[in-house]
Amino acid sequence: AQRVTQPEKLLSVFKGAPVELKCNYSYSGSPELFWYVQYSRQRLQLLLRHISRESIKGFTADLNKGETSFHLKKPFAQEEDSAMYYCALSGHSGTGNQFYFGTGTSLTVIP
Amino acid sequence: DAGITQSPRHKVTETGTPVTLRCHQTENHRYMYWYRQDPGHGLRLIHYSYGVKDTDKGEVSDGYSVSRSKTEDFLLTLESATSSQTSVYFCAISDPLQYSGYTFGSGTRLTVV
Repeated sequence: AQRVTQPEKLLSVFKGAPVELKCNYSYSGSPELFWYVQYSRQRLQLLLRHISRESIKGFTADLNKGETSFHLKKPFAQEEDSAMYYCALSGHSGTGNQFYFGTGTSLTVIP
Repeated sequence: DAGITQSPRHKVTETGTPVTLRCHQTENHRYMYWYRQDPGHGLRLIHYSYGVKDTDKGEVSDGYSVSRSKTEDFLLTLESATSSQTSVYFCAISDPLQYSGYTFGSGTRLTVV
């Protein structure tokens, strides 16, 4: 069964410190992994997708198929990074693609 | 603009009343989804649609129904609202031909009293 696990519900780091938000997944096929961010009372926004291998707002994430992980990293956290982060996996079924979300990690960057 | 709007943004309703939430898109995406967001549970799929009049259940579909009579509109109905359905509801759209993930609406905050 498809599953996305984010082990940390809450994460606090000091401004300027490195941050890593963990995401592990289980999926029988070739996964498509995403990170979404939700700032306070706003809509979820796509932050990163593994297929594009891009860096957005200083964040990067590498898909590690051996460890089935897709951790989100940033070398120097900023206050504006405080938000809720969701890891998501896209899977294909007979009727189309579905996303499976982790339970989210709330990141607080302490000034 | 993201090309997807939800209405209403906020609603308070009484237990036992029917409620309909609307999702409207201007992107002509084939797939539309309804999620609920609750603390500790993240986002859970309620129902989704893969075309006009084509819908399927998600993991938390009990007590909810959906309809999609046009590509641009996806309606979520709580047939008889209960306090456990107090939540924030998000609509999302996607185009499977693009590896762009979902685009989300701004959410509807529903309170059942």
